[in-house]
Amino acid sequence: QQQVKQSPQSLIVQKGGISIINCAYENTAFDYFPWYQQFPGKGPALLIAIRPDVSEKKEGRFTISFNKSAKQFSLHIMDSQPGDSATYFCAASIQGAGSYQLTFGKGTKLSVIP
Amino acid sequence: DADVTQTPRNRITKTGKRIMLECSQTKGHDRMYWYRQDPGLGLQLIYYSFDVKDINKGEISDGYSVSRQAQAKFSLSLESAIPNQTALYFCATSDPSGSTDTQYFGPGTRLTVL
Repeated sequence: QQQVKQSPQSLIVQKGGISIINCAYENTAFDYFPWYQQFPGKGPALLIAIRPDVSEKKEGRFTISFNKSAKQFSLHIMDSQPGDSATYFCAASIQGAGSYQLTFGKGTKLSVIP
Repeated sequence: DADVTQTPRNRITKTGKRIMLECSQTKGHDRMYWYRQDPGLGLQLIYYSFDVKDINKGEISDGYSVSRQAQAKFSLSLESAIPNQTALYFCATSDPSGSTDTQYFGPGTRLTVL
């Protein structure tokens, strides 16, 4: 059972454009939603994260939008750059229960073309 | 992340062979994880350990075993490798003492089973 559904599987955006990746979750007990960025040949690294008590979090060009009622959250990359080309994974966990296990989406391969 | 190292980085083996993948960390984190990454499937949790004496199965533990030799070392073994275990394997660590449980990933081991 896939608890976090991520779309699209791949995305091509022109330099300067907006990249949008969407995730939907099923388990309403999830209380922590991070996004990880992975470059080829590297391990994933935390990019940005949000808790369900806020609807948006912004860090530089990266913004998470969170819709608790729809059980959806999305990553927006403004002014996308070729250096943003990577695979992005959304994830969710139940930190309140102390388990801290992350459930990952299947990933989105982003290509930003000049 | 140089704080989490994995050896070997690449390994080619034959069906039926026993394989051990090793992970070491200098971050001082109690929690360690092993994930498997397949194209289009995201990251799947194999095993996790919250301390040296606490080891737990993840969602895809069949065919794998682990050993937590010390706080800094967590090894993954394939007792009898099979071709469908060909994948990219990541070790990760985390420290839940902060407000979130960010996971820090190693560079990965690419395993090919012929």
